[in-house]
This record gives sequence, structure tokens and C-alpha cells, in this order.
Amino acid sequence: GAGVSQSPSNKVTEKGKDVELRCDPISGHTALYWYRQSLGQGLEFLIYFQGNSAPDKSGLPSDRFSAERTGGSVSTLTIQRTQQEDSAVYLCASTGYSGRLGYGYTFGSGTRLTVV
Amino acid sequence: RKEVEQDPGPFNVPEGATVAFNCTYSNSASQSFFWYRQDCRKEPKLLMSVYSSGNEDGRFTAQLNRASQYISLLIRDSKLSDSATYLCAVNRGRQAGTALIFGKGTTLSVSS
Repeated sequence: GAGVSQSPSNKVTEKGKDVELRCDPISGHTALYWYRQSLGQGLEFLIYFQGNSAPDKSGLPSDRFSAERTGGSVSTLTIQRTQQEDSAVYLCASTGYSGRLGYGYTFGSGTRLTVV
Repeated sequence: RKEVEQDPGPFNVPEGATVAFNCTYSNSASQSFFWYRQDCRKEPKLLMSVYSSGNEDGRFTAQLNRASQYISLLIRDSKLSDSATYLCAVNRGRQAGTALIFGKGTTLSVSS
């Protein structure tokens, strides 16, 4: 597609439930990243996929968080047993060389997760 | 020291003013540097890369100082539409494609 697509755009879930967030990167981009941004906070790195290499999971805050990327394209971020502190906007980005812009990311519009 | 630090502001300036933001980073191995713009409740959008030689795009100039480990963004002739939060981003390692670490952003408000 023309941009990074994320779904759903909004998700309200009850504490303790599992949620899945989806990201469809720009076609041809080999690198995909997940971040989250809490209200008034900066972007917190979660996980990074690059081609067929093992993902960099160093940013995942707990073992309730996991992500996979199938076929080098679509990625799913799963949060198990959600907690209220998981409420945030979850942003996905993909990377491709864009001339003078170098390896800058293109972000999707995010999934706003609210845990009640 | 935090990996990437920015003055949160807000910077309140009149239209036409020149304003500059700095961002410091702690990892001397970092190779890629960027400025992003984020409007309220929107995703960040890439504004410009920051090259060692500095780069300019219209009213925007970005510079890198490796010795002091900071990057800067200069906005000349500010417009109302420049009001936003400006995020600096620095990669975590030597390879250009490694994950970016973002500052918390500097808020700019341009008034008429």
C-alpha cells in the first residue's frame, strides 16, 4: 500500500483480556518497528524486525508482550492479560531508503489501546 | 544520562521568528539522526535527516555536533503551521537500520 496501515485504530478492552494489534508495512520495506506512546510521554521502543534476522526484542516491557512478522510483511503485536498501564497508542513503522531522507521511518496512524 | 534528551519547552514565538532546538544523545556509536514532527494526536512524521555536514530544507536547518553529541534544528521565519512537537531520534547502534530512540519532544507554539 501507499503507507503503513494499522488496525484497529481504536481498541477498548477489559483488564485481563488478550489483544492483537496488526501492522501492514509499506510494500518492499524490510524493517518493521513497534513503539508505544503513553499520554504526554515519548515514544518507547518495543521490538524491531529486519528481514529474516532474529528480532530485537529488547524493548518489550514484560513477557506478556510478543510480536511476530509473517512472510516478511504483516506483523502482529500481542498483549496478554492486559493491564491498565498498557493503555497507550501503539505505533508501527517501516523503513526504507528514501533518497536524501536516509533510513527514516514511516509511521502508521497507530492503535489507541484503552484497558478498562 | 538519558539516551536522548530534549528541552520539552514550550517554545512560544511570534510568526516570523527564528527558533532553535537542541537534542543531546549519549551513545557515541550512533550513526543516524533525524528530526520528526508530531501534531496533536497524530503519528510522528519525518521532517529531515541530520547529516554530518549539516543539511537545509527550505526554512529548516539541521546540524550534528559529534564531539558534543548533540543535534540541532533551526526554523527560520516561523509560520503558524509550524506549531507542533518536534522529536529528535538517534539510532541505537552502528548500523543505519537499527532501532531509533526518540526524545520526548520539544513543543513549539507559533502565534500571530
